[in-house]
Amino acid sequence: RKEVEQDPGPFNVPEGATVAFNCTYSNSASQSFFWYRQDCRKEPKLLMSVYSSGNEDGRFTAQLNRASQYISLLIRDSKLSDSATYLCVVNGGDSNYQLIWGAGTKLIIKP
Amino acid sequence: DVKVTQSSRYLVKRTGEKVFLECVQDMDHENMFWYRQDPGLGLRLIYFSYDVKMKEKGDIPEGYSVSREKKERFSLILESASTNQTSMYLCASSTPGGYTFGSGTRLTVV
Repeated sequence: RKEVEQDPGPFNVPEGATVAFNCTYSNSASQSFFWYRQDCRKEPKLLMSVYSSGNEDGRFTAQLNRASQYISLLIRDSKLSDSATYLCVVNGGDSNYQLIWGAGTKLIIKP
Repeated sequence: DVKVTQSSRYLVKRTGEKVFLECVQDMDHENMFWYRQDPGLGLRLIYFSYDVKMKEKGDIPEGYSVSREKKERFSLILESASTNQTSMYLCASSTPGGYTFGSGTRLTVV
């Protein structure tokens, strides 16, 4: 079993729709969780951290479920510019600096 | 704005060559990382460094070495390049709040 698992997609979603994807992690000791966004042939960039109570940043909402060991990302009112690969990232448990990366979920927003 | 700079965007090298990938950060971060990214596999950690002259093996260190002589610079060395090292290489530096990546080096070994 991979340490961090994501559905690779692609998710094909019409513009304006709401889309959500999950990510499961195996290390119950993990304390830090992130979503990164990666555009084609570019480097990953931090989208948002995921806090225990859940957090929102504009159209983006991140949730953490420790009991089931997954995090989720919800995008409302999707834009064409949201098309990207979304990487789920979890710290290794014994260090905040060593991160375990999911392989990413590809999202395509269609006009 | 914070910045991580990788010296080359694209490189083509021959099998058996020694290859140097350079990474410089201007944020005074102690922690720096080298990853490779391949389709369907996500980012895999090659080496990391938490201080000058300190280095730790990541998940896939075989065939690679690193050098950190100065805080701002972390170099990845392919001792004898092989075709299975064709990949995207990403350097990052970090705080607990997250990583900042360089723009990546796409290395092709022929």
